[in-house]
Amino acid sequence: GAVVSQHPSRVICKSGTSVKIECRSLDFQATTMFWYRQFPKQSLMLMATSNEGSKATYEQGVEKDKFLINHASLTLSTLTVTSAHPEDSSFYICSARSLSSGRLQETQYFGPGTRLLVL
Amino acid sequence: GNSVTQMEGPVTLSEEAFLTINCTYTATGYPSLFWYVQYPGEGLQLLLKATKADDKGSNKGFEATYRKETTSFHLEKGSVQVSDSAVYFCALIFYSSASKIIFGSGTRLSIRP
Repeated sequence: GAVVSQHPSRVICKSGTSVKIECRSLDFQATTMFWYRQFPKQSLMLMATSNEGSKATYEQGVEKDKFLINHASLTLSTLTVTSAHPEDSSFYICSARSLSSGRLQETQYFGPGTRLLVL
Repeated sequence: GNSVTQMEGPVTLSEEAFLTINCTYTATGYPSLFWYVQYPGEGLQLLLKATKADDKGSNKGFEATYRKETTSFHLEKGSVQVSDSAVYFCALIFYSSASKIIFGSGTRLSIRP
């Protein structure tokens, strides 16, 4: 089946630094990638949707200057958390849809997630 | 607004026990309903779905029935195995060009041998 990887799986950084998280579709081309965030005991919340070669669409309340998303190719999207603060500590999950997914929105292939801890 | 509420975990059961994970939703209209599963170290996978009232989704021995009258989509399995240990997410979608998945908070299931 379709596989999505994320790197790193876990990262600890100091407050004020920037952290980049990569999301790759390993065996298919992803026209659309999604970035989610999950706080402990809460739902996955969609942060943004990115289409290859165009700017990401951010959900209401998500700062686009803080969470920079780049979807430069059909197999790679990156999320950069700029000037990270302790409140940015969370679990970040990406997912990808392929060209063949059609209109079935639930056909997203999820990465295993990246746990970010900002000290 | 639209939301999904599922029972808090963790849920711990012995092998071959009966499983129920409750899920209820709030939605304006009639969404499609889903259960996703996340095994340790892996991404979420679609487990089963139901697209209209009274539909029953099933997969790998798991079942869930779309109950419009109670706005519920409870996940059940008659006899769980250790390999079912995972986190289970209930979710809904309204199909449209701008639709997005709305997830519950997840329920961690642990099965004892």
